Amino acid sequence: GESVGLHLPTLSVQEGDNSIINCAYSNSASDYFIWYKQESGKGPQFIIDIRSNMDKRQGQRVTVLLNKTVKHLSLQIAATQPGDSAVYFCAEKGSGGSYIPTFGRGTSLIVHP
Amino acid sequence: EAGVTQSPTHLIKTRGQQVTLRCSPISGHTSVYWYQQALGLGLQFLLWYDEGEERNRGNFPPRFSGRQFPNYSSELNVNALELEDSALYLCASSLAGQAHYEQYFGPGTRLTVT
Repeated sequence: GESVGLHLPTLSVQEGDNSIINCAYSNSASDYFIWYKQESGKGPQFIIDIRSNMDKRQGQRVTVLLNKTVKHLSLQIAATQPGDSAVYFCAEKGSGGSYIPTFGRGTSLIVHP
Repeated sequence: EAGVTQSPTHLIKTRGQQVTLRCSPISGHTSVYWYQQALGLGLQFLLWYDEGEERNRGNFPPRFSGRQFPNYSSELNVNALELEDSALYLCASSLAGQAHYEQYFGPGTRLTVT
């Protein structure tokens, strides 16, 4: 079946370091990917998205890289801050015209001051 | 601009009971999505409503149902509650008719079934 998964359930970094969160997907027909951040007690918050016709997209302190050859997605956070501590989800838009994203299980990012 | 709102924030129910959760989308959004987030798991898609109609349904039993009202707010109903229904129920809204879209999530309703 189609799935979206994350390699690491927990990532601990020091404040100021760069963080990389990885995600694998299995549906080669997926054409849109999204990263969400979920802080404790809150709903997921959109961070950045990327379409399958792109390899890289940059936002403020975040970069998403897409490798369609190996079906891998990563989120890079520069100069990680304590406020970045949260669970990060990747999601893929369903194929075949479905507007329903499939979410991975999530990676918990812990930033130590 | 107000975000997506959900009520109640927390809810405790007994197995076999019924529950109704409510969601108000962002003004101007016509699509509402419901997700279940069980502890340690990713978001599982439940239902999608747009313009008052159910557009898509996830792999959940029929005791999970809902509706969307003319003002685009939505309700999620769960009948015959089971212990495994304990989870955070998230509602999201988006502009309709867009293949590539951004969903805005509410804070969720934490349901505990005892």
